[in-house]
Amino acid sequence: DAKTTQPNSMESNEEEPVHLPCNHSTISGTDYIHWYRQLPSQGPEYVIHGLTSNVNNRMASLAIAEDRKSSTLILHRATLRDAAVYYCILRVAQGAQKLVFGQGTRLTINP
Amino acid sequence: DTEVTQTPKHLVMGMTNKKSLKCEQHMGHRAMYWYKQKAKKPPELMFVYSYEKLSINESVPSRFSPECPNSSLLNLHLHALQPEDSALYLCASSRGLAGRGEQFFGPGTRLTVL
Repeated sequence: DAKTTQPNSMESNEEEPVHLPCNHSTISGTDYIHWYRQLPSQGPEYVIHGLTSNVNNRMASLAIAEDRKSSTLILHRATLRDAAVYYCILRVAQGAQKLVFGQGTRLTINP
Repeated sequence: DTEVTQTPKHLVMGMTNKKSLKCEQHMGHRAMYWYKQKAKKPPELMFVYSYEKLSINESVPSRFSPECPNSSLLNLHLHALQPEDSALYLCASSRGLAGRGEQFFGPGTRLTVL
């Protein structure tokens, strides 16, 4: 699986937007970009995924660079409940599957 | 029902004990996974089952023995564990193995080996 690089930690304030970056310069054409998050004392939770186009869902938006070598997870209005470790993961479209978690970004939200 | 349940929540065992972790989902998912997570580290894949057959074994020691008795259940049998095996064991499921799909994770079983 191709590797992703994320900042170790980020901090933001409640009710402000948060932009979490991820670099994946060795991404191949068939790799999907997935984001998961893990709240304290819980299992990871799916957030969003995309291939080439930007994606929106009720939790977040995913902005994918035109060359697909980087992406940004956007939380539009952070709440205290968004404090978690956010993982950016690449997954190939076919074949035996596994999530290979990188170190992730620990997001702290200040009240 | 979009939940993956895991029992027990906590388990303490000695190095000579035999115990089992249980995972259950009723979403009709045909792929199930075991992950191991040490403190302050990301989850690491251990096993993948697809249609009740073992698809991936990430070179896990034989003291961990997975079992998928049916499409809703996944067990992890533990025997002769070491203290370094203490970790959070996470179960997950997905509709299939394709890269588009999301995995649903359970809350985990926190295992302590004395």
